[in-house]
Amino acid sequence: GAGVSQSPRYKVAKRGQDVALRCDPISGHVSLFWYQQALGQGPEFLTYFQNEAQLDKSGLPSDRFFAERPEGSVSTLKIQRTQQEDSAVYLCASSLGIRGGGNSPLHFGNGTRLTVT
Amino acid sequence: AQTVTQSQPEMSVQEAETVTLSCTYDTSESNYYLFWYKQPPSRQMILVIRQEAYKQQNATENRFSVNFQKAAKSFSLKISDSQLGDTAMYFCAFMKQASGSRLTFGEGTQLTVNP
Repeated sequence: GAGVSQSPRYKVAKRGQDVALRCDPISGHVSLFWYQQALGQGPEFLTYFQNEAQLDKSGLPSDRFFAERPEGSVSTLKIQRTQQEDSAVYLCASSLGIRGGGNSPLHFGNGTRLTVT
Repeated sequence: AQTVTQSQPEMSVQEAETVTLSCTYDTSESNYYLFWYKQPPSRQMILVIRQEAYKQQNATENRFSVNFQKAAKSFSLKISDSQLGDTAMYFCAFMKQASGSRLTFGEGTQLTVNP
């Protein structure tokens, strides 16, 4: 595809429900990141994949958050037993290489806005 | 750990005028990148400009330029000839020069360009 695609665009969940957010990175991109953006704040890092390997999950706020990328392309962020504080925009980004910055810029998706009621 | 601070929650400018957005950061790293991203209501983060820390020359991209002061750990964005389409949230961000490095974002500055 032309860019990073995320679905759904909006998700409303009742407190306690499980949700799954999908990210389709640009084809061939090795690196994939998930970020959480609370209302009026800058995005905060959640986790990083290099192909199918989850190399950094230090930003996941609790063990209710789980991410996978089993075939090194599509990634899913799962949140179990959602809480109101999970309400945020979840952004996915991918890059061609493994060294970020100038030679391998990040491409972001439009995010999924999760609202927990 | 790195921190990025944007001290201007909101800014406004008249169309065709120039505006400067401020950003300071703190790090003990010597090799890193700095970025400015634009986030319109569509929510997609769009890269505006990037700066490699080892380069003394300030980066420019058409109407956008930065003032990078490494010793002062300051990285401001200047937008010249502001256009209505520049209205958006602007985020300053830091990235270490290493494999799989994450972006650390500031809190953002909401820029409004008035006709």
